[in-house]
Amino acid sequence: DIQLTQSPSSLSASIGDIVTITCRASQSISSHLNWYQKKPGRAPKLLIYTSSNLQSGVPSRFSGSGSGTNFTLTISSLQPEDFATYYCQQSYRVFTFGGGTKVEIK
Amino acid sequence: QVTLKESGPVVVKPTETLTLTCTVSGFSLSNSRLGVSWIRQPPGTALEWLAQILSNDEKAYNASLKSRLTISQDTSKSQVVLTMTNLDPVDTATYYCARIFKGSGALDIWGQGTTVAVSS
Repeated sequence: DIQLTQSPSSLSASIGDIVTITCRASQSISSHLNWYQKKPGRAPKLLIYTSSNLQSGVPSRFSGSGSGTNFTLTISSLQPEDFATYYCQQSYRVFTFGGGTKVEIK
Repeated sequence: QVTLKESGPVVVKPTETLTLTCTVSGFSLSNSRLGVSWIRQPPGTALEWLAQILSNDEKAYNASLKSRLTISQDTSKSQVVLTMTNLDPVDTATYYCARIFKGSGALDIWGQGTTVAVSS
């Protein structure tokens, strides 16, 4: 099975900060990596698909990059509504989710 | 409008079998570009992918749960059904179904989720 390791597992940031979350795959997954935002009591929301493509309706402050085994989700200017947990997911071979990164208010 | 809605029991006893139904609208389960996955989230832990089914009836399962899971679909009813056998309290979770866009493997539309507690 392909394992996904996210880091950090949690972080504290302020409004307006640049936030970077990384996702490392246990083997090469090309660009088959997607990112989701999860808030308590709500369903996950797709943000980025195939590493760097912004899902329709998602603010442009979210961006993704990477290929092979190393991927990054960046929030260019953190907004109040961005405090949530973020998950990466690979679709190269069946599906797997990362362990999540919780973004908290500093 | 594309929607998915999960339904099933709220409480299940240990060792029993759980049957969850995902009813979709706004798209066809026969669409060759689409599929449906089941995902769960136990309290305070990460998302866990469980199973998926594609329009050609191709199925895939989480390897660690494969012996307990069965996924099927009824295209005429626009429903995807997941059964999980031999429930344990650790299976207590919110269960989601989500649409797969095959081109990217992304889960682009999610249901609201249904919470299942395993308790005697």
